[in-house]
Amino acid sequence: QVQLQQWGAGLLKPSETLSLTCAVYGGSFSGYYWTWIRQPPGKGLEWIGEINRSGTTNYNPSLKSRVIISIDTSKNQFSLKLSSMTAADTAVYFCARSLNYFDSSAYWAWGQGTLVTVSS
Amino acid sequence: DIQMTQSPSFVSASVGDTVTITCQASQGIGGWLAWYQQKPGKAPKLLIHSASSLQSGVPSRFSGSGSGTDFTLTISSLQPEDFATYYCQQANSFPYSFGQGTKLQIK
Repeated sequence: QVQLQQWGAGLLKPSETLSLTCAVYGGSFSGYYWTWIRQPPGKGLEWIGEINRSGTTNYNPSLKSRVIISIDTSKNQFSLKLSSMTAADTAVYFCARSLNYFDSSAYWAWGQGTLVTVSS
Repeated sequence: DIQMTQSPSFVSASVGDTVTITCQASQGIGGWLAWYQQKPGKAPKLLIHSASSLQSGVPSRFSGSGSGTDFTLTISSLQPEDFATYYCQQANSFPYSFGQGTKLQIK
């Protein structure tokens, strides 16, 4: 049974960089796509980007200039960095795993979510 | 970018009712659509993938249909645990995107 556990700072000041890590326990790390999704308070879901085991990434163009998703296969972890944070980036950030191998079209396993607040 | 529009945004129903939620894509996405259920303070839960494939462990009262630009999620014989917010998500092209959500409330 795969489990995703995420952590990182929950309170940032404007212009700081968000750093979140998601650890994967159980199941295979290979073949799947590993994704970050966020949800502003009371609003809908926004896809941030994804990475596979080889390190191939796809990002949302709206965030591309500020986002880096990386992977550490030795630790079964992947990470999100989002720079130049503003209040508009305040959201719950989720990590997630694709349902199937080599197919990132749906997300089956999710982290617990981390509320990140940007405030001076 | 592909825009996903759900309707209605809010729906009230009673236990035992059947509810249908629609999702329209701004351009054709084939069958690359998933449906999720989200309860307050929780991560989304995958219900349907590939437009109509029921995810393992999800009750059969949930069903999905559609292709191209128009999709539906139907919940038959509503149970108390079904009252939640539902999202569609397209995975035809990057950036993947979600509908704005449909909140299913108890009447």
